[in-house]
Amino acid sequence: KNEVEQSPQNLTAQEGEFITINCSYSVGISALHWLQQHPGGGIVSLFMLSSGKKKHGRLIATINIQEKHSSLHITASHPRDSAVYICAVGGGSQGNLIFGKGTKLSVKP
Amino acid sequence: DAGVIQSPRHEVTEMGQEVTLRCKPISGHNSLFWYRQTMMRGLELLIYFNNNVPIDDSGMPEDRFSAKMPNASFSTLKIQPSEPRDSAVYFCASSFLTGNQPQHFGDGTRLSIL
Repeated sequence: KNEVEQSPQNLTAQEGEFITINCSYSVGISALHWLQQHPGGGIVSLFMLSSGKKKHGRLIATINIQEKHSSLHITASHPRDSAVYICAVGGGSQGNLIFGKGTKLSVKP
Repeated sequence: DAGVIQSPRHEVTEMGQEVTLRCKPISGHNSLFWYRQTMMRGLELLIYFNNNVPIDDSGMPEDRFSAKMPNASFSTLKIQPSEPRDSAVYFCASSFLTGNQPQHFGDGTRLSIL
C-alpha cells in the first residue's frame, strides 16, 4: 500500500464546477504539501499545511490530522486549472517528501 | 528572484554515456533535493542535502548514480553509465532548512537514454 493515496486519479469537470481532490496518508507527518504540475512540466507549491485550512484565491486546502486526510478544493473551476495536482507529506524537520501519484484534472470550457 | 535553475532542459544520449545534470538553488536556501519523475512511479526523492551535506541518499537507485554539492549555489547529479531505464524527468528543488518550508522546484531536466 502506498504511504500517500490520492483520489480520484483522473477528473474531468465543466468550467464553473466545484472540484475536490482527496489525499490520505498512513505515516506520521509534520506537514502536508499540495503541488500543481502543468502540462509543460513545471511544479509549483500551492499550499503547505499542518492543521486546519488555508485559502488562496479560488483554492482551499484542508487537513484533518486525526483522520490523516487532506482535501484540495477549487471553486469556480476554469480551463487554466487543468493540471496534475500532487499531494506530498513531510515527515519531519529534514524536509524530505513522500508523494502521491497525482490527480490529473481537466476542466472543459 | 531567478528561482531554481536546472540545466540542461533536455538531454538525449546513448546508453553507456555519462550524464551530468546541474542545479542552482535559490540564493539563501540551505536544503536541496533531487527528485525523479516517471509515469510508473511518479515523483521520488533521490537524495537531499542540508547545508551542502548529503543527509539521505537512500533513494539513489544504484551505484551508477552520484550527487555532489560542492558549495551552497551548485549541485550535480551524475549517472555513469546511463541506461534506458534511467529515462525520466529529474527535478531539483530547494528550500530553507528551518522547520517545514515550501519547496521551490526547477523546471526539470527531461532525460532520454536511447
